[in-house]
Amino acid sequence: GENVEQHPSTLSVQEGDSAVIKCTYSDSASNYFPWYKQELGKGPQLIIDIRSNVGEKKDQRIAVTLNKTAKHFSLHITETQPEDSAVYFCAASMRIRGSTLGRLYFGRGTQLTVWP
Amino acid sequence: DTEVTQTPKHLVMGMTNKKSLKCEQHMGHRAMYWYKQKAKKPPELMFVYSYEKLSINESVPSRFSPECPNSSLLNLHLHALQPEDSALYLCASGWVGQPQHFGDGTRLSIL
Repeated sequence: GENVEQHPSTLSVQEGDSAVIKCTYSDSASNYFPWYKQELGKGPQLIIDIRSNVGEKKDQRIAVTLNKTAKHFSLHITETQPEDSAVYFCAASMRIRGSTLGRLYFGRGTQLTVWP
Repeated sequence: DTEVTQTPKHLVMGMTNKKSLKCEQHMGHRAMYWYKQKAKKPPELMFVYSYEKLSINESVPSRFSPECPNSSLLNLHLHALQPEDSALYLCASGWVGQPQHFGDGTRLSIL
């Protein structure tokens, strides 16, 4: 099956600085890469995603890049704010054989803390 | 606010009890998922329903029994659980082959 590695496991930044979280995946059949933010007491919230035919996607302060050759994708958050503090999970999705379903494989998560 | 609603938010039960977790979505998604999440870990897939049929069972013990009464509802029936089953249980929905949207989960504690 797919193996997704995520680094770092913890990240502390000063408010206004940028934060970068990196993930690698192992299976070239993965074709969809979502990022989730999970706040304390809440479920994972989809914040941005990218498909394998796109190299970069941006949504306001958040951007994701994908390097298919290297099997590497990253989340970039600029001008961080204290409310960005949360656990962030990357995931890779591939189609389950014989179905139209996609299955998510998660990284281990990054605890981001933004200090005021 | 999440578009996937889970009830109850918290549940405490003894090892001999029977209880059910409920999940509802009104986004028209035809794939629905149950995940288990332990503290400081990523969600682990348990079951997947596609068009109200069970498509994936990740070798989950039979003390967990899923049910999909219709395209908007997903239940997880619990019986004779063990202390190690204490966790956050998450429901998700998505278009087949598209992003998954999660509820806020049920925090389950087994005494």
